[in-house]
Amino acid sequence: AQSVAQPEDQVNVAEGNPLTVKCTYSVSGNPYLFWYVQYPNRGLQFLLKYITGDNLVKGSYGFEAEFNKSQTSFHLKKPSALVSDSALYFCAVTLGNRDDKIIFGKGTRLHILP
Amino acid sequence: DAGVTQSPTHLIKTRGQQVTLRCSPKSGHDTVSWYQQALGQGPQFIFQYYEEEERQRGNFPDRFSGHQFPNYSSELNVNALLLGDSALYLCASSNGQGIHRAFFGQGTRLTVV
Repeated sequence: AQSVAQPEDQVNVAEGNPLTVKCTYSVSGNPYLFWYVQYPNRGLQFLLKYITGDNLVKGSYGFEAEFNKSQTSFHLKKPSALVSDSALYFCAVTLGNRDDKIIFGKGTRLHILP
Repeated sequence: DAGVTQSPTHLIKTRGQQVTLRCSPKSGHDTVSWYQQALGQGPQFIFQYYEEEERQRGNFPDRFSGHQFPNYSSELNVNALLLGDSALYLCASSNGQGIHRAFFGQGTRLTVV
């Protein structure tokens, strides 16, 4: 069965510092991996995805994520955090088939401290 | 292109009542998936509709049912509402290019009192 683990409920980072939000996954087959962001009382906003190719994926708002197959990880990173990055972040996985479903982690709340 | 639209945005229902949530998929998309996001949790897959049929289902009771119309729009129905059904309900649409190209709506916030 597919699963996603986000080991941190909350991550606190000072503005201007680099940030990392961790994600590991378990899937039988080649995974499609995603990061979504959710602001209060809003739906999910797509940040980035890994399908194939370069292990370093660049996404919206300066975020990037690195796919590590040996460690089954897909950590979200940003070189310099902004206060406006404060939100709830979800890592997700799917096998990418037409009729597949997306499996989400429980989310990590990111607090950027001014 | 309006993307995925959901209605209503918010609603409050009483325990035991029934509710219907609606989703219009992104133009060109023919598959609709529904997710429940309880407070403090990640979205959980409820079911998926394609060609007006339920194609697969997550671990949700039969109180949760759905429908897809010929124009690909979809409804999620929940009967005999429980307090625990309070959540954000998200709709995602996709097409034959795969679920990895899914777009999500803004969600419907359901509160059961």
